[in-house]
Amino acid sequence: DSGVTQTPKHLITATGQRVTLRCSPRSGDLSVYWYQQSLDQGLQFLIQYYNGEERAKGNILERFSAQQFPDLHSELNLSSLELGDSALYFCASSVAGGGTDTQYFGPGTRLTVL
Amino acid sequence: AQKVTQAQTEISVVEKEDVTLDCVYETRDTTYYLFWYKQPPSGELVFLIRRNSFDEQNEISGRYSWNFQKSTSSFNFTITASQVVDSAVYFCALSEARDAGGTSYGKLTFGQGTILTVHP
Repeated sequence: DSGVTQTPKHLITATGQRVTLRCSPRSGDLSVYWYQQSLDQGLQFLIQYYNGEERAKGNILERFSAQQFPDLHSELNLSSLELGDSALYFCASSVAGGGTDTQYFGPGTRLTVL
Repeated sequence: AQKVTQAQTEISVVEKEDVTLDCVYETRDTTYYLFWYKQPPSGELVFLIRRNSFDEQNEISGRYSWNFQKSTSSFNFTITASQVVDSAVYFCALSEARDAGGTSYGKLTFGQGTILTVHP
């Protein structure tokens, strides 16, 4: 158990809908990362937050947004969902958010868009 | 741009065989960090090891060992006496200490992964 929690574990929804994925980092970690794992794209970095502020952005679609709250939990919002958004979404956390950090991953949320 | 290549898509071995998973990386930075993660059938990503670019010493942890060679930009992972429980997808990943602007951030670039199947 990495200490990173993600809810829900599974999510099934329809095209055009909006969903929210939630992540709680390990105790003491200030930085949260979101990654998407799909068969065709592999593991892709989406976005990073550090202590409530956006730190880095990767291949995140405009339909997707995220935030980190004062209690350090984070939410990833996916809207106008398309079939291609079906994937495993991971949250990771680390102590300080720099390139030297080790990122510990949560169990993931499997999103299925029908 | 940084890139990680795991040329072996799938490897199949019989229990107790040794197996080496290859990882080759590309980066322009002189300071960077390399990682290996394991993704068992249950789906979570489990951290195995982190190595910085200044430390080329090989590392051994039980049946696992890692060989880092800067000259060939490789960070290979060997499992000795493999077991069925080692069956998983293994990912190599790279992070740079800072981006071109000098900001420290932790984006990981992953390889495509190697599916390891250990048969009894």
